[in-house]
Amino acid sequence: SQQGEEDPQALSIQEGENATMNCSYKTSINNLQWYRQNSGRGLVHLILIRSNEREKHSGRLRVTLDTSKKSSSLLITASRAADTASYFCATSLITGGGNKLTFGTGTQLKVEL
Amino acid sequence: DAGVTQSPTHLIKTRGQHVTLRCSPISGHKSVSWYQQVLGQGPQFIFQYYEKEERGRGNFPDRFSARQFPNYSSELNVNALLLGDSALYLCASSPLFQTGELFFGEGSRLTVL
Repeated sequence: SQQGEEDPQALSIQEGENATMNCSYKTSINNLQWYRQNSGRGLVHLILIRSNEREKHSGRLRVTLDTSKKSSSLLITASRAADTASYFCATSLITGGGNKLTFGTGTQLKVEL
Repeated sequence: DAGVTQSPTHLIKTRGQHVTLRCSPISGHKSVSWYQQVLGQGPQFIFQYYEKEERGRGNFPDRFSARQFPNYSSELNVNALLLGDSALYLCASSPLFQTGELFFGEGSRLTVL
């Protein structure tokens, strides 16, 4: 079953605008990660934020994490047409059973010229 | 360096048949995980293998099995295929057992008719 729910399910913006995607989850986590997927191909890791961190930046990406609300957001600034893809949040709880990622339902981002 | 490679990229099977999917991890990575992604949903965890041992299993029936070889490559086997097994099967590798970030291959798209 999916743990995360992402909002919105689909987002259409103009090039140069900012895109914000939100993710909610249900259980305790060690870290939360964001992945990108182009047209049903493999997933590409974007950024990882640990449970004791509140904000992290990587290039045009900014991720926040609120463990009290069990939510995260991904901000892509100055979006480009090449950012068009599906974006997934994934929570990780590292136990004796290994590192299992639980993915959300994804946000489809379309950046138009 | 080569990324995670999966084969075959596409395949079509009929109900009741068996399928074997193969994965070669990034050189030096000892952990391999398998995920199933049904169209329109996020990936779901099937298995994690580390040092040739199963370290985690998702909520999938016994028709699904996997193994990891001494060179750390892996196979995913699915018996008695059902229409609902149609999906993109993703393999991911990581250096260690409990590493956060996963490196995904491009996937094997299975269609069951």
